[in-house]
Amino acid sequence: EVKLVESGGGLVQPGRSLKLSCAASGFSFNDYWMGWVRQAPGKGLEWIGEINQDSSTINYTPSLKDKFTISRDNAQNTLYLQMSKLGSEDTAIYYCARAVLSPMDAWGQGASVTVSS
Amino acid sequence: DVQMTQSPSYLAASPGESVSISCKASKSISNNLAWYQEKPGKANKLLIHSGSTLQSGTPSRFSGSGSGTDFTLTIRSLESEDFAVYYCQQYNEYPLTFGSGTKLEIK
Repeated sequence: EVKLVESGGGLVQPGRSLKLSCAASGFSFNDYWMGWVRQAPGKGLEWIGEINQDSSTINYTPSLKDKFTISRDNAQNTLYLQMSKLGSEDTAIYYCARAVLSPMDAWGQGASVTVSS
Repeated sequence: DVQMTQSPSYLAASPGESVSISCKASKSISNNLAWYQEKPGKANKLLIHSGSTLQSGTPSRFSGSGSGTDFTLTIRSLESEDFAVYYCQQYNEYPLTFGSGTKLEIK
């Protein structure tokens, strides 16, 4: 069974950083692109970015490129999202997903991030 | 960025009925469009990719059509489990973009 489990969410103060993890299991992690998507409260889905199998290609949505960094550790079957300079607009549920030629065919349940003082 | 305009944003229907959801792209995206289902407490589910190809496990009452800029998700003979939020997503070019979502509720 394909499983993606996000962790590392929580309450963080404005301007601080936070790193999310996504533990993958049930498939050959290093064979797939992986991505992150977020959903602000009451809003729709926003694509953050994705990373290829060997981390040689990472694509971001332009508005988040300078704040967020996607990485992966294939030995640990784990995807990461490093977020910096967080603001209230970054309050959201953050989902990791497995990508197959860009459509995301498996999703985690999400990690909640709240940016507030 | 490619803007995805999804309509309607809200739809009420009864079990057994058929519904259609529209997704329009601001420029041609060929057939590089996916549809997803969002339900509370469940992981988002890829229903359709390449505009009309059913993902493994998607019931045959779901269908997708369109290419270029205009796409449609149709659900025939609605079942109780189909009441959810649906999103389209283009993956023709970066950044990938989603539609704003359609909430399908029971009438």
